[in-house]
Amino acid sequence: RKEVEQDPGPFNVPEGATVAFNCTYSNSASQSFFWYRQDCRKEPKLLMSVYSSGNEDGRFTAQLNRASQYISLLIRDSKLSDSATYLCVVTGAGGSARQLTFGSGTQLTVLP
Amino acid sequence: NAGVTQTPKFQVLKTGQSMTLQCAQDMNHEYMSWYRQDPGMGLRLIHYSVGAGITDQGEVPNGYNVSRSTTEDFPLRLLSAAPSQTSVYFCASSRGGHNEQFFGPGTRLTVL
Repeated sequence: RKEVEQDPGPFNVPEGATVAFNCTYSNSASQSFFWYRQDCRKEPKLLMSVYSSGNEDGRFTAQLNRASQYISLLIRDSKLSDSATYLCVVTGAGGSARQLTFGSGTQLTVLP
Repeated sequence: NAGVTQTPKFQVLKTGQSMTLQCAQDMNHEYMSWYRQDPGMGLRLIHYSVGAGITDQGEVPNGYNVSRSTTEDFPLRLLSAAPSQTSVYFCASSRGGHNEQFFGPGTRLTVL
């Protein structure tokens, strides 16, 4: 089983739609959780951190379920500019770079 | 601030050649890492450093060397290039293992 698993997609949705991505992780000791965004042929950039109580940033909502070991990302009112690959990132105990694990990403295309 | 810079952006090598990928950051980050990204595999950690003079291996270190003589620079050396090393290489820096990773623009390497 991969340490961090994501549905690779692609997700093709119309503008204005709501879309949700899930990510599961295998290490119950994982401490920190993030969603990164990667545009085509570009570097990943932090979209948002994921907190235990859930958090929202504009149209984006992130949730963490420690009991089931998954995190989610909800995008409301999708824009064309949201088209990208979304990477789930999990940090284990200890805080070293070795403990940072990236999912392989979920590709989103928002259609006009 | 330039953030994280990488050179070159593109490189073609022949099997057996050696080269160094350069990475520099101007954010005074202690943590620096090298990743490779292959289709369907996500980002995989090659080597990382938690400070000047300290380096350690990641998930896929074979065929690569690193050194960290200054806080700013973290070069990645390919000792004898192989076609399996064809990939996109990203350098990243952060304040710590649980903090946001800042990525460079990447180096696209092809080994013939």
